Amino acid sequence: DAKTTQPNSMESNEEEPVHLPCNHSTISGTDYIHWYRQLPSQGPEYVIHGLTSNVNNRMASLAIAEDRKSSTLILHRATLRDAAVYYCILRRGTSGSRLTFGEGTQLTVNP
Amino acid sequence: EPEVTQTPSHQVTQMGQEVILRCVPISNHLYFYWYRQILGQKVEFLVSFYNNEISEKSEIFDDQFSVERPDGSNFTLKIRSTKLEDSAMYFCASSELTATNEKLFFGSGTQLSVL
Repeated sequence: DAKTTQPNSMESNEEEPVHLPCNHSTISGTDYIHWYRQLPSQGPEYVIHGLTSNVNNRMASLAIAEDRKSSTLILHRATLRDAAVYYCILRRGTSGSRLTFGEGTQLTVNP
Repeated sequence: EPEVTQTPSHQVTQMGQEVILRCVPISNHLYFYWYRQILGQKVEFLVSFYNNEISEKSEIFDDQFSVERPDGSNFTLKIRSTKLEDSAMYFCASSELTATNEKLFFGSGTQLSVL
């Protein structure tokens, strides 16, 4: 599985935007970029995913670099509930392929 | 929103005993997965299951582990003879079959403690 690199931790203030970076320089052409998060004592939760184009959904936006070697998860207005570990994962394009979790970024949101 | 349900939420067992962890995936999903997370460590893939057979498994998923879909709704993970190092949170997940790299829905997990 291709590797991703994320900062260990980041901090944000409530109601401010948060940009969580991810580097994936060895991404292959068929790898999708997935983001999941894990709140304390809960299972992972899907956030967003994309292949080449930027993506938006009700939770977040995903900005993908033109060369696809990096991406950024954007939370437009952080809330206390967004405090979690955020995982950037490359997933093979075949249906049912595994997710390989790394260490992720621990996001702290200050009131 | 539909949910993946796991039971029990906590399971305590003695070393060497068999345990079965149960999951009810989302009803129209076709892919099923088990992951585990040892305290303080990464979430690790164990196995994926599709069309009544294992489609992929990790090196963790050895002969002590098995999975089954005994009926149209349940998906189970059995550990035949538990070891201390099997103590972990076990997450079940499910996903649809789509053409665009579908998302996984995870359950809340079963905390397995092997004494």
